[in-house]
Amino acid sequence: DIQMTQSPSSQSASVGDRVTITCRASQTISNYLNWYQQKPGKAPKFLIYAASNLQSGVPSRFSGSGSGTDFTLTISSLQPEDFATYYCQQSYSIPPTFGHGTKVEIK
Amino acid sequence: EVQLLESGGGLEQPGGSLRLSCAASGFTFSTYAMSWVRQAPGKGLEWVSTVTGNGADTHYADSVKGRFTISRDNSKNTFYLQMNSLRVDDTAVYHCAKDQIAGDGRVNFDYWGQGTLVTVSS
Repeated sequence: DIQMTQSPSSQSASVGDRVTITCRASQTISNYLNWYQQKPGKAPKFLIYAASNLQSGVPSRFSGSGSGTDFTLTISSLQPEDFATYYCQQSYSIPPTFGHGTKVEIK
Repeated sequence: EVQLLESGGGLEQPGGSLRLSCAASGFTFSTYAMSWVRQAPGKGLEWVSTVTGNGADTHYADSVKGRFTISRDNSKNTFYLQMNSLRVDDTAVYHCAKDQIAGDGRVNFDYWGQGTLVTVSS
């Protein structure tokens, strides 16, 4: 199975900050990398697919990049509604695997 | 509007069985693979199982293989997870999720249900 490693596991930030979360795959996955946002008690929300494609309706302050084994999710200017946990997920092969999550907290 | 609604969760003893259902609406159900993803209390997301649009192919996580069975009824726009030989570590919120792209062989979860809680405890 492909292991997905996210860092950091948590991050404190203020409204307006630029936030970057990284995700590393244990083997190359081309660009088959998705990002999700989850708020407490809610279902995950699909943010980005194929490493850099924004899902419909997702604000443009979110962006993704990377290919191969190293990927990044960036929030250009953190908004109050962005405080949440973010997960990466590889869709290169079965089983699809998730990172352990990055919790973005209010500083 | 895509909607996914899970049901069937609850409290069960170790070794028992439960059947989860996910009713779907707002898209051509038979076209898309559907999956179950679970989240243990305070933990991250774990993929459990996927069934293709026509039901012909199924995939399972090693942790549930041989105990859980995924199936679907396209005439009812519903799919299921039969959970047998339940263990304490199966305790989790179980979300159903829709695949983003029909038939591409990749598993991207573009819509999720709110989840149903399964608690396995004596």
